[in-house]
Amino acid sequence: DAGITQSPRHKVTETGTPVTLRCHQTENHRYMYWYRQDPGHGLRLIHYSYGVKDTDKGEVSDGYSVSRSKTEDFLLTLESATSSQTSVYFCAISGMIPGPNSPLHFGNGTRLTVT
Amino acid sequence: EDKVVQSPLSLVVHEGDTVTLNCSYEVTNFRSLLWYKQEKKAPTFLFMLTSSGIEKKSGRLSSILDKKELSSILNITATQTGDSAIYLCAVGGKGADGLTFGKGTHLIIQP
Repeated sequence: DAGITQSPRHKVTETGTPVTLRCHQTENHRYMYWYRQDPGHGLRLIHYSYGVKDTDKGEVSDGYSVSRSKTEDFLLTLESATSSQTSVYFCAISGMIPGPNSPLHFGNGTRLTVT
Repeated sequence: EDKVVQSPLSLVVHEGDTVTLNCSYEVTNFRSLLWYKQEKKAPTFLFMLTSSGIEKKSGRLSSILDKKELSSILNITATQTGDSAIYLCAVGGKGADGLTFGKGTHLIIQP
């Protein structure tokens, strides 16, 4: 699994509570990504990082924040969870800008349910 | 805004059949097109295509890119039940903002 660990694997939380998902990699890759996957929408980019403390927004960033204080860890925080954030969250990494010779590799996902 | 459209969205065939999955795209500064297979967990990488007309092949799976038509196909011959999965197409531009994915084709192979 390209040395990517996501935690927790499953989480159920209540509306309005903060939630933090963790992605840990052992590949020393520069680029890290958070995607969410929902039926009918495919994979959509939330936030990404191109280095320690360097992050940027993706397509569906509202309601989410990220932090990357170390190369190996990329955290996704839902400040106040809503039912629309119920989804499967995937972390992905790449050694270079994703492209020739550098496909994204994915973690096993975190299934988040907001009740 | 980059866009990837896959068709069909779902497909049911019998074991032994050949299937063709389609992917079309609109992307600024196209760099590569990738195919992934997703079973129960993480998407796993199948192919990366950057040049038109050059077929990539792995066993019963093959894929080709047509940059003039802004599209790609993924062929699976002699399908097996283990080929049942969601097949995802993604395109990458020149930026660091990852890949843009299509909604996927849900392929079901019946015995």
